[in-house]
Amino acid sequence: NAGVTQTPKFRVLKTGQSMTLLCAQDMNHEYMYWYRQDPGMGLRLIHYSVGEGTTAKGEVPDGYNVSRLKKQNFLLGLESAAPSQTSVYFCASSYSAHEKLFFGSGTQLSVL
Amino acid sequence: GEDVEQSLFLSVREGDSSVINCTYTDSSSTYLYWYKQEPGAGLQLLTYIFSNMDMKQDQRLTVLLNKKDKHLSLRIADTQTGDSAIYFCAEKGSGAGSYQLTFGKGTKLSVIP
Repeated sequence: NAGVTQTPKFRVLKTGQSMTLLCAQDMNHEYMYWYRQDPGMGLRLIHYSVGEGTTAKGEVPDGYNVSRLKKQNFLLGLESAAPSQTSVYFCASSYSAHEKLFFGSGTQLSVL
Repeated sequence: GEDVEQSLFLSVREGDSSVINCTYTDSSSTYLYWYKQEPGAGLQLLTYIFSNMDMKQDQRLTVLLNKKDKHLSLRIADTQTGDSAIYFCAEKGSGAGSYQLTFGKGTKLSVIP
């Protein structure tokens, strides 16, 4: 099993550009999450999904959109990137709300 | 919103015990977790404790929970250089938003050989 796979691992964008981060899991998990990690801030939840076709806002959703068209994939989109979105982004999944989270290895995004 | 607080840094000598502390505000927390993040990697679950427990031991790891004071600690016995990492405390509530974990900012553990 690959677990949780994030692509790309690194990306540099210019302000105003758009991009999509892909998260894929092969564990048949229902729940998927996107977090961002900033120095001294810990992890903050951007959006999450409790099943195929569903999405919900987390703590810091502004400037991001998500889609969960297939159970195994959770996409995070930035329509118009801003320097404040420079961060490390982590995807995670879990079988249920109370099961442990499995994390991907992260995507380092820089917005210039 | 709910909050989870941790000290940012801890330095210990190899072979000593490490104790990482965490406080939280959500009195309805059901599960409390400790995650470990090694450089350049995602988080991995180390251990967790259900809110009706006081203590949980798993090999070198001991988790203590004081629910009255909303205080959680992680003790690592015989700390090794491979334990150097960032440790995150996290809690899950029972009410609306219980799908979400609230993470602390992380404690960076440095082990001195």
